[in-house]
Amino acid sequence: SQTIHQWPATLVQPVGSPLSLECTVEGTSNPNLYWYRQAAGRGLQLLFYSVGIGQISSEVPQNLSASRPQDRQFILSSKKLLLSDSGFYLCAWSLVGTSGRALFYEQYFGPGTRLTVT
Amino acid sequence: GIQVEQSPPDLILQEGANSTLRCNFSDSVNNLQWFHQNPWGQLINLFYIPSGTKQNGRLSATTVATERYSLLYISSSQTTDSGVYFCAVARKTSYDKVIFGPGTSLSVIP
Repeated sequence: SQTIHQWPATLVQPVGSPLSLECTVEGTSNPNLYWYRQAAGRGLQLLFYSVGIGQISSEVPQNLSASRPQDRQFILSSKKLLLSDSGFYLCAWSLVGTSGRALFYEQYFGPGTRLTVT
Repeated sequence: GIQVEQSPPDLILQEGANSTLRCNFSDSVNNLQWFHQNPWGQLINLFYIPSGTKQNGRLSATTVATERYSLLYISSSQTTDSGVYFCAVARKTSYDKVIFGPGTSLSVIP
């Protein structure tokens, strides 16, 4: 069965410090990978998605970047954190089926990282 | 982009009661999921249901894609059902427009 790991679980960082959050998936190959942010307990926002190694698409311009150095590894980074970067960061994976141009995918989420920028 | 609405925003139930949560979306989709976010923040998959009806124990869901809504039914609610319920949708040809609704916060009291 597939599992998804995220670490760290919680993180407190000062403004201006760098950030690296890691997500790994086990038990599947060539998954699509996603980073989401959730603020104030509601409203998940898609930040990045990746359909393969080295392929990153950004949904919203921001102070963050993502990388996919290996098939099942997805990293969220920042060079200098802002107060507004605080939130709950969730990684997700999916496998994609196609029918013509239509895409079908069910997402599965990791346990999340709670980031507080002070 | 697609707009997703969920109702009600908040719900308090007595243990054992039934409830219906609704998700409306503004455009054609072929990916629709229901999630339960527990108090620890974990998002748990409930249903992948772009159309039709599915049941899993006390939970069931129905999506009427042509009318752009989905319903989540919770029967005989338990305190462990508390949390936030999200629906999430995506368009037919796009990965990057996965849109989550604002959620329904459910509290089940003993």
